[in-house]
Amino acid sequence: DQQVKQNSPSLSVQEGRISILNCDYTNSMFDYFLWYKKYPAEGPTFLISISSIKDKNEDGRFTVFLNKSAKHLSLHIVPSQPGDSAVYFCAASLDRGSTLGRLYFGRGTQLTVWP
Amino acid sequence: NAGVTQTPKFRVLKTGQSMTLLCAQDMNHEYMYWYRQDPGMGLRLIHYSVGEGTTAKGEVPDGYNVSRLKKQNFLLGLESAAPSQTSVYFCASNRPTDRASNQPQHFGDGTRLSIL
Repeated sequence: DQQVKQNSPSLSVQEGRISILNCDYTNSMFDYFLWYKKYPAEGPTFLISISSIKDKNEDGRFTVFLNKSAKHLSLHIVPSQPGDSAVYFCAASLDRGSTLGRLYFGRGTQLTVWP
Repeated sequence: NAGVTQTPKFRVLKTGQSMTLLCAQDMNHEYMYWYRQDPGMGLRLIHYSVGEGTTAKGEVPDGYNVSRLKKQNFLLGLESAAPSQTSVYFCASNRPTDRASNQPQHFGDGTRLSIL
């Protein structure tokens, strides 16, 4: 059963506009969330994360928002650039306070930023 | 700085053949992981290791074995390959997490494996 869900397989956005990628989870014990970006023929690369004790984390053009009551997080990219075109994976961890940090991944959203 | 290196990058096997995928990391990370990614699916954990000489099962371990004889290497073995094991395999590593800091996993570029 998929505990981390990305219900939009694809998203298309014009350059300069905001991209919003969404992620829902079912396990209320998740306490750490990450976004990974993946280009074709490459491995996922870490983008940004957020702890369950926060509701927002910002890093340059990337901001992640967490709504624990709704079990929902989103990644905002502003402004979007053609180089942002990639598959974005949402991931969650149960074990922030322990020593494993095993990740549960969503199925990914293909973002396409067009000029 | 190589990070996480996977070999080979591509491989085609016949059903029933065996092979070993190698993952090497040069970041002195304690934890290492093997995932598989199938079309339309997220990454699913096969096996993982929290240190040299230790391994554990993940979400989809059947048909695979692993070994961590050296801290920097994590091997994934297929004893008798099946078409259902056609996939892209990713290795990852990180340091232990604690309440003060979270250590994201660093991934290799993957091994594309086809079983005919």
